[in-house]
Amino acid sequence: GENVEQHPSTLSVQEGDSAVIKCTYSDSASNYFPWYKQELGKGPQLIIDIRSNVGEKKDQRIAVTLNKTAKHFSLHITETQPEDSAVYFCAALAGTSYGKLTFGQGTILTVHP
Amino acid sequence: GAVVSQHPSWVICKSGTSVKIECRSLDFQATTMFWYRQFPKQSLMLMATSNEGSKATYEQGVEKDKFLINHASLTLSTLTVTSAHPEDSSFYICSASLRGLGEQFFGPGTRLTVL
Repeated sequence: GENVEQHPSTLSVQEGDSAVIKCTYSDSASNYFPWYKQELGKGPQLIIDIRSNVGEKKDQRIAVTLNKTAKHFSLHITETQPEDSAVYFCAALAGTSYGKLTFGQGTILTVHP
Repeated sequence: GAVVSQHPSWVICKSGTSVKIECRSLDFQATTMFWYRQFPKQSLMLMATSNEGSKATYEQGVEKDKFLINHASLTLSTLTVTSAHPEDSSFYICSASLRGLGEQFFGPGTRLTVL
């Protein structure tokens, strides 16, 4: 089955700096890669996603890049703000998984004012 | 974006009782719903996959007789924790998915505390 590794587990940045979180996946059949933001006591919120036919996708301060050859994808947050502080999860969906996502371990992002 | 609700948002119950959690997709029809469990500072652990009108598929190690899942319509799935014990205390989260698109939209979660 699919295995997703996420790094780093914690990330601390100053407001205005950029933050990068990286994930690797094992199943070359995976074709959908979402990123979720989870605030304390709440459910995960989809913030951006990318499909395997695209190398990069951007939405305002958030971007995701995908390298299918190396089987890794990354989340980039620019001009970070304190409200970006949360736990971020990457995930991968394999075409044979009946819609089941495999999640990374999560990254605790702290943005200091 | 798609909205998923859960009810209740939190519940406290005595050991031995059963608790039902509802998951609703408010503005779309979800062919598949997923139930997750999350412990503090950990990732989401998939418990089961629920398709409308059919039996749920449970992940290895999840007791299907303890965690009863019903997906009666395209907008509602329920999780019943039967004979709850303190070790069942956790954060339970559902998600809903549109057929073939991959995206899962999560509910706000339900905090279960079993005394």
